[in-house]
Amino acid sequence: EAAVTQSPRNKVAVTGGKVTLSCNQTNNHNNMYWYRQDTGHGLRLIHYSYGAGSTEKGDIPDGYKASRPSQENFSLILELATPSQTSVYFCASGDPGQQDTQYFGPGTRLLVL
Amino acid sequence: GEQVEQLPSILRVQEGSSASINCTYENSASNYFPWYKQEPGENPKLIIDIRSNMERKQTQGLIVLLDKKAKRFSLHITDTQPGDSAMYFCAATNSAGNKLTFGIGTRVLVRP
Repeated sequence: EAAVTQSPRNKVAVTGGKVTLSCNQTNNHNNMYWYRQDTGHGLRLIHYSYGAGSTEKGDIPDGYKASRPSQENFSLILELATPSQTSVYFCASGDPGQQDTQYFGPGTRLLVL
Repeated sequence: GEQVEQLPSILRVQEGSSASINCTYENSASNYFPWYKQEPGENPKLIIDIRSNMERKQTQGLIVLLDKKAKRFSLHITDTQPGDSAMYFCAATNSAGNKLTFGIGTRVLVRP
């Protein structure tokens, strides 16, 4: 199983502040994904990437940016955090050669006050 | 986006009985359907998946059925145990096969 790690695991931010969530994977997967999970909504895709230098908008990209500086790292950036972005964020990685089975990181719990 | 509907949202079953979760999808080009189990405070973990060239797959007390004509797939947990209590998510790929759309989840509660 792919090794996907996230940092920080917990974060408290203030409204209007900048938040960066980091994700690292060590299985050399091309694709990486950022989701948020909220009760009643399941897992919703924010941004994803096909490889280093690539970022694509997912289903709910507004208020978020992403950065993929290398094969291993994929960051999610909240330039101006809002309380509505309080959620649990999961990073995942996958390989299209494996029909895009996705493996999830442990999650980051973000609270925006 | 492409919708995946998942029902029921909560499923209470007696230990030893079966539990069934149903999902429907919109995109007839979807070709990969994974199921994830999520324990409280943990990440979703893949438990079984099925590709569009199959109608049935079984592994370790789990059965997945796929009806492409009806655009419906289902997870059946046989002989449920307390350890099966968790959230379960279905998902389906988009037409390009590079994104997953998830259902909203089913909370399964197994009563001793």
